[in-house]
Amino acid sequence: GQQVMQIPQYQHVQEGEDFTTYCNSSTTLSNIQWYKQRPGGHPVFLIQLVKSGEVKKQKRLTFQFGEAKKNSSLHITATQTTDVGTYFCAYSGAGSYQLTFGKGTKLSVIP
Amino acid sequence: KAGVTQTPRYLIKTRGQQVTLSCSPISGHRSVSWYQQTPGQGLQFLFEYFSETQRNKGNFPGRFSGRQFSNSRSEMNVSTLELGDSALYLCASRIRPSGQGSNSPLHFGNGTRLTVT
Repeated sequence: GQQVMQIPQYQHVQEGEDFTTYCNSSTTLSNIQWYKQRPGGHPVFLIQLVKSGEVKKQKRLTFQFGEAKKNSSLHITATQTTDVGTYFCAYSGAGSYQLTFGKGTKLSVIP
Repeated sequence: KAGVTQTPRYLIKTRGQQVTLSCSPISGHRSVSWYQQTPGQGLQFLFEYFSETQRNKGNFPGRFSGRQFSNSRSEMNVSTLELGDSALYLCASRIRPSGQGSNSPLHFGNGTRLTVT
């Protein structure tokens, strides 16, 4: 079956440092989505990547989809305390629209 | 536009009881998915309904069931509750499962926190 690992599980950074979370799959993904869940909140959709090698930016956030569509990353430049939360990738396999979530990366930002 | 509404927000039940959770999707959204969130297992997919039909089902026992009504509102039911069913149950809606070759994004409700004692 499809195996997608999201790493790291936890990340503590000093405010102003950069942060990156990765989702790595053993098989090709149709597309990948990223969500953010603030403490006590619910997941909120950030972005979807569909094309091989795709790169999208949202202010300080940069999302990448690998050339082989087997991995993806979310990079935050100069973290702020408002970036605190858990970041999830969500993916579906070929021919399926069921969205499966990675285990998430919990980001803590030390002011 | 109103968001996804889940009721109740909190529930406390005893082992062996059953429970029904409700979800009202965003207006115009015809797909509703349910997820179970626990600290140890993360977000686990339960099932997705579209146009009153179950389209996908996760790896949960038959004690977990759901349905969708003609107005797209959905309910999920858990029978014979176990301690391990304690979790945050999240409902998410989207216009439809797919859109122009890609997945439609999910819009989540605030969840129902179920505690089984």
